[in-house]
Amino acid sequence: DTAVSQTPKYLVTQMGNDKSIKCEQNLGHDTMYWYKQDSKKFLKIMFSYNNKELIINETVPNRFSPKSPDKAHLNLHINSLELGDSAVYFCASSWGNEQFFGPGTRLTVL
Amino acid sequence: GDSVTQMEGPVTLSEEAFLTINCTYTATGYPSLFWYVQYPGEGLQLLLKATKADDKGSNKGFEATYRKETTSFHLEKGSVQVSDSAVYFCALRSNDYKLSFGAGTTVTVRA
Repeated sequence: DTAVSQTPKYLVTQMGNDKSIKCEQNLGHDTMYWYKQDSKKFLKIMFSYNNKELIINETVPNRFSPKSPDKAHLNLHINSLELGDSAVYFCASSWGNEQFFGPGTRLTVL
Repeated sequence: GDSVTQMEGPVTLSEEAFLTINCTYTATGYPSLFWYVQYPGEGLQLLLKATKADDKGSNKGFEATYRKETTSFHLEKGSVQVSDSAVYFCALRSNDYKLSFGAGTTVTVRA
């Protein structure tokens, strides 16, 4: 039943580690996104893929690398994690005007 | 570039009070406008939208009208409930893929 799912829901890790967050959508949408929401709730787009092709790449450190193995999946890999990476990361997919969001992954870097 | 400005929160109201959250935008062309809602611990959900000037979006008792002359899309609800406590985001889309969000307004409704 779940439209956009993300794993894990919570991720606690040490500075310097490498981690991945996975996203899957079963809506048949061609376009998927990653957003970062900071502690003040500010939401900023990071990446967008359309049919496995990168179409939006905002000013994000190159420690962040999205990977889209197929159009239903968009994973986010983060190298050398820093304290400032602590945030909630949302995946989304879209068809036409509307975007559908996943439940979020709360990343805490210690 | 495109941007959205919405009123700062937090906003605290009593049940059955009237809610207004102001939103103005800057964009080239003719953007589509949205309000998203984020309930505690959840992702964002589309609340309502309007795709052209003078359109009114409505859902769950909330309304917003696309005003091109004032570049605004203010959200209103006539009688709020405790269950309306959430963070509300105004957003615009002026190309095929990218949404620009406002900073979010936290609304708390007290019984």
